[in-house]
Amino acid sequence: GDSVTQMEGPVTLSEEAFLTINCTYTATGYPSLFWYVQYPGEGLQLLLKATKADDKGSNKGFEATYRKETTSFHLEKGSVQVSDSAVYFCALRFSGGYQKVTFGTGTKLQVIP
Amino acid sequence: NAGVTQTPKFQVLKTGQSMTLQCAQDMNHNSMYWYRQDPGMGLRLIYYSASEGTTDKGEVPNGYNVSRLNKREFSLRLESAAPSQTSVYFCASRESGNMYNEQFFGPGTRLTVL
Repeated sequence: GDSVTQMEGPVTLSEEAFLTINCTYTATGYPSLFWYVQYPGEGLQLLLKATKADDKGSNKGFEATYRKETTSFHLEKGSVQVSDSAVYFCALRFSGGYQKVTFGTGTKLQVIP
Repeated sequence: NAGVTQTPKFQVLKTGQSMTLQCAQDMNHNSMYWYRQDPGMGLRLIYYSASEGTTDKGEVPNGYNVSRLNKREFSLRLESAAPSQTSVYFCASRESGNMYNEQFFGPGTRLTVL
């Protein structure tokens, strides 16, 4: 079945450090790929998405590129802020059916001043 | 425009008690979903409703029932709560007209079953 694997957290970085959170997937076919962010006490919010190979999703300084050859969708940010502290979920979704979303287990990011 | 709202925010139940989690969305979305979030397991789909009047099982439906009351509201019922149902429950909705449309999530209900 489809699955998403994320790097285990927590990840602790100093403010202005470079962030990478690795995400790889297993799926038959070509799903759309997503990164969601969950701030403390809140629901998930879509951060960025990519719908086909080589697409780059970007938002709020975060970027991720859909790499079909390595089945990866790594999240990056050049300079993190304390306000980026949250849990980040990688996810995939196929079109058709009920549009089931398969989530990774989440990676907690803590940014310290 | 409140988006997706859920009530209650927190609930503590004893084993065997029943309760209903409420979810409503004001975005006129066709599809609605219930997920549970457990540590180290991400989100897992319990039930979904592709449109008003239809509901279907997701990955982990046992111990739950749902009702799509109308287009706005989708409730999740625990008939006889068990400690294994301690979790954070999220409702989501999505406009199904475009396959790239995202799901919008509510703030969650944190449920503890003693």
